[in-house]
Amino acid sequence: DGGITQSPKYLFRKEGQNVTLSCEQNLNHDAMYWYRQDPGQGLRLIYYSQIVNDFQKGDIAEGYSVSREKKESFPLTVTSAQKNPTAFYLCASSIAQVNQPQHFGDGTRLSIL
Amino acid sequence: GQQVMQIPQYQHVQEGEDFTTYCNSSTTLSNIQWYKQRPGGHPVFLIQLVKSGEVKKQKRLTFQFGEAKKNSSLHITATQTTDVGTYFCAGVLLRTGGGADGLTFGKGTHLIIQP
Repeated sequence: DGGITQSPKYLFRKEGQNVTLSCEQNLNHDAMYWYRQDPGQGLRLIYYSQIVNDFQKGDIAEGYSVSREKKESFPLTVTSAQKNPTAFYLCASSIAQVNQPQHFGDGTRLSIL
Repeated sequence: GQQVMQIPQYQHVQEGEDFTTYCNSSTTLSNIQWYKQRPGGHPVFLIQLVKSGEVKKQKRLTFQFGEAKKNSSLHITATQTTDVGTYFCAGVLLRTGGGADGLTFGKGTHLIIQP
């Protein structure tokens, strides 16, 4: 079945550490996205990529980094510079343009120890 | 910044009652999408509206896009326990100078159903 796979489902990090969240899709979608979801805040865009080797900052990119070396993969690194990283992180993908319907992965819940 | 506002934040209904959530933007939208997120799950795409005044139905769900393409609503008739979740609208905002931004999500409406 085609879909988006995020791993791990739960992740714990010590303060001061970087951590990388995985996102893989086999839908042959060009565009991929990372969102952060906090209670009562809805979804906020961190980064998005419309094509391999290119990506753009979203509304809350500070403290995060991404790469898009392959069409199928869009990993997100939460760096130690992110002051409040505890949140639910969702990866999504869509056909071509960024205004197309998005398909979401199951998410990764990141907690700081 | 440009936002998509969604109300109410929470809605409690008795099973069988109707439910409506509203989405408003200060900027004209290219299109609007609706998503549903079940508790503990991820958002799932429901529908996309593109045309001014467009109305679409999916069984007990009715989606409307305003004439000015600045607002939208989702109405559920005779709610069932399976309707529980958070409903998000997501708009594509048109830029003043042309072109469009990506999706901007509303904060969602949490639907709680009491049997």
